Amino acid sequence: DQQVKQNSPSLSVQEGRISILNCDYTNSMFDYFLWYKKYPAEGPTFLISISSIKDKNEDGRFTVFLNKSAKHLSLHIVPSQPGDSAVYFCAASGIQGAQKLVFGQGTRLTINP
Amino acid sequence: DTAVSQTPKYLVTQMGNDKSIKCEQNLGHDTMYWYKQDSKKFLKIMFSYNNKELIINETVPNRFSPKSPDKAHLNLHINSLELGDSAVYFCASSQEGLNSPLHFGNGTRLTVT
Repeated sequence: DQQVKQNSPSLSVQEGRISILNCDYTNSMFDYFLWYKKYPAEGPTFLISISSIKDKNEDGRFTVFLNKSAKHLSLHIVPSQPGDSAVYFCAASGIQGAQKLVFGQGTRLTINP
Repeated sequence: DTAVSQTPKYLVTQMGNDKSIKCEQNLGHDTMYWYKQDSKKFLKIMFSYNNKELIINETVPNRFSPKSPDKAHLNLHINSLELGDSAVYFCASSQEGLNSPLHFGNGTRLTVT
C-alpha cells in the first residue's frame, strides 16, 4: 500500500510558465513533507519542505502548498527553467521524522524551451 | 569533495553471489541510511543507523546486512543474491534533528543475472 502517491508520472511545461507537481498521501499521521529533485545518475537532492502546521512555504521560485483536509500537497515552480528538468519526489514523515521517510514514485518534469 | 559517496556505481553479478556496497559521508552527520529504488521507481528505506547503532530495519531479508564501522561509514553486504535484488541502492545521511533533510549518494545500480 503506497502511502504517498504522485499520480502523474510525467509533466511537460514551457519555459517561463508555472510547473505544478502534485502529491497525495493517505496516512493522517504524517506531519512533515518534503520535495526532492533528482537528475539522471545522481542521488535525490533536497528542495523544500513544509510542516503540517503551515499551509504554504516559499523558497525563491519554489512554493509548496499543503492541504491537510484533502491530504494533498503541491510544488509550484515559477518561472520554470530548463535546469528544472528532473524527476521530483514527494516524501512524508511522521513521528519518526527523517528516520523513516516515505517517498512517492516521482514525476518527471520536462521544461521545453 | 563529494558529501556522500558510494562505491561501486555499477555492480553486475550472478545469482547466488555475495557482494558489498560501500558508503562514506564527510558531512559529520550522525545518521546514515540505505534506500532501495525498485523497478517501479519507489524509494524505500531499508535501514537507518545512528552513531553506528541500528535504528530502523524495514523488514529487509536477513541476506542484507548493514555494517557501520564508524559513524561516517555504512556498508551494505548482500548474501546469496537473487534476481529480485536488482535495483538502485542509495546511501544517505542526515544531521541530528527530527526532520533534517537527507543527503543522498549517487546510487549503486545492482544487476543480478
